[in-house]
Amino acid sequence: AQTVTQSQPEMSVQEAETVTLSCTYDTSESDYYLFWYKQPPSRQMILVIRQEAYKQQNATENRFSVNFQKAAKSFSLKISDSQLGDAAMYFCAYRSASGANSKLTFGKGITLSVRP
Amino acid sequence: DTGVSQDPRHKITKRGQNVTFRCDPISEHNRLYWYRQTLGQGPEFLTYFQNEAQLEKSRLLSDRFSAERPKGSFSTLEIQRTEQGDSAMYLCASSLGAGRGRTGELFFGEGSRLTVL
Repeated sequence: AQTVTQSQPEMSVQEAETVTLSCTYDTSESDYYLFWYKQPPSRQMILVIRQEAYKQQNATENRFSVNFQKAAKSFSLKISDSQLGDAAMYFCAYRSASGANSKLTFGKGITLSVRP
Repeated sequence: DTGVSQDPRHKITKRGQNVTFRCDPISEHNRLYWYRQTLGQGPEFLTYFQNEAQLEKSRLLSDRFSAERPKGSFSTLEIQRTEQGDSAMYLCASSLGAGRGRTGELFFGEGSRLTVL
């Protein structure tokens, strides 16, 4: 079974600074997808960024980028120029590329606070 | 609004009562998922449907839990004889299958919060 580990329960960043959130995962599969989701307080979870395992290039979405290290099974999220609206819980998630295993497996999440 | 909608948003019930949650997915999505999330934790998979077929159920889904998606559109999650340990946020999500450039990411509703007294 696949597992996703987020070992940092909380992090804090100064507004306009850069922060990196860590995630590791365990799988025996070679083809899969990785995601970072954001869950603001009392609001729905939204997708921040996605990465296909077969792509070597790290995904970027505006101020958000990932550092995908397939051999190390590491998938960290970097948030640049942090904004107050970035404060939320962030979840790393794994999804098999096998059509028979469609669900996402989530880590426990990390609470990010942004200091003005 | 064409997102995933869930109803009710909040439900308070007494132990032993039955509760039912409804989820309306994004209309063109053929896959629908139920997750449970407790405070400060990540979502835990409960079950998922492809169209009307329930393809996978977690061991978390005891026999007091039942989910249906009768016509491949909306879904219901029923909990019978609720226990205090059932108190959680129940999240619904929908997706298209992966393939042809799609990664199959999930789109979530705002959740249904259950409190069992």
